[in-house]
Amino acid sequence: GQNIDQPTEMTATEGAIVQINCTYQTSGFNGLFWYQQHAGEAPTFLSYNVLDGLEEKGRFSSFLSRSKGYSYLLLKELQMKDSASYLCAVRDMQDSNYQLIWGAGTKLIIKP
Amino acid sequence: NAGVTQTPKFRILKIGQSMTLQCTQDMNHNYMYWYRQDPGMGLKLIYYSVGAGITDKGEVPNGYNVSRSTTEDFPLRLELAAPSQTSVYFCASRNKQGTRVGSNQPQHFGDGTRLSIL
Repeated sequence: GQNIDQPTEMTATEGAIVQINCTYQTSGFNGLFWYQQHAGEAPTFLSYNVLDGLEEKGRFSSFLSRSKGYSYLLLKELQMKDSASYLCAVRDMQDSNYQLIWGAGTKLIIKP
Repeated sequence: NAGVTQTPKFRILKIGQSMTLQCTQDMNHNYMYWYRQDPGMGLKLIYYSVGAGITDKGEVPNGYNVSRSTTEDFPLRLELAAPSQTSVYFCASRNKQGTRVGSNQPQHFGDGTRLSIL
């Protein structure tokens, strides 16, 4: 079956580092996306991983291990504006139209 | 830079009423999607389209219909509104997948339509 798991909620302190994990089970794999969604707003694209390893983009980095079905999003130097939900989504290669399977999201709360 | 535009932003319907949620994109994207997002849940795919004239069911299509007469527009129709359809609806689009397997083509989302059925 297809399944994506993320923690429901995490809390971190402004200026600190936080790691949000995502584990997945899919029939085929063709890439993993991370999106940020502020309350009441649309999801916006953050990062994409298709090969094992770390992709760094400013304060945000995303890691993938295909053999373990595991990814994480690392946020450094946390700012209050990083308070949002973070959605993990996997592109299933079995579907010729490459549909995304979405996790329920991790709500990140940043405290001063 | 309009991107993906959804209308209306908010709507309250009575049970049994019908309405159309509008979605238009100006990026000339082939693929368009309709999702619903319930509190604490992931995005659920309702319908999608790979191009004008082509639509297909997603994970939760019951109670909805779509059409894709142009590349730009992808309206979602609720024929007989039910309380279970109370949700936030997002329309998204993306460019056609590149020829290289694994090429990055993220989905771009509209701001959503918050729909309540009472």
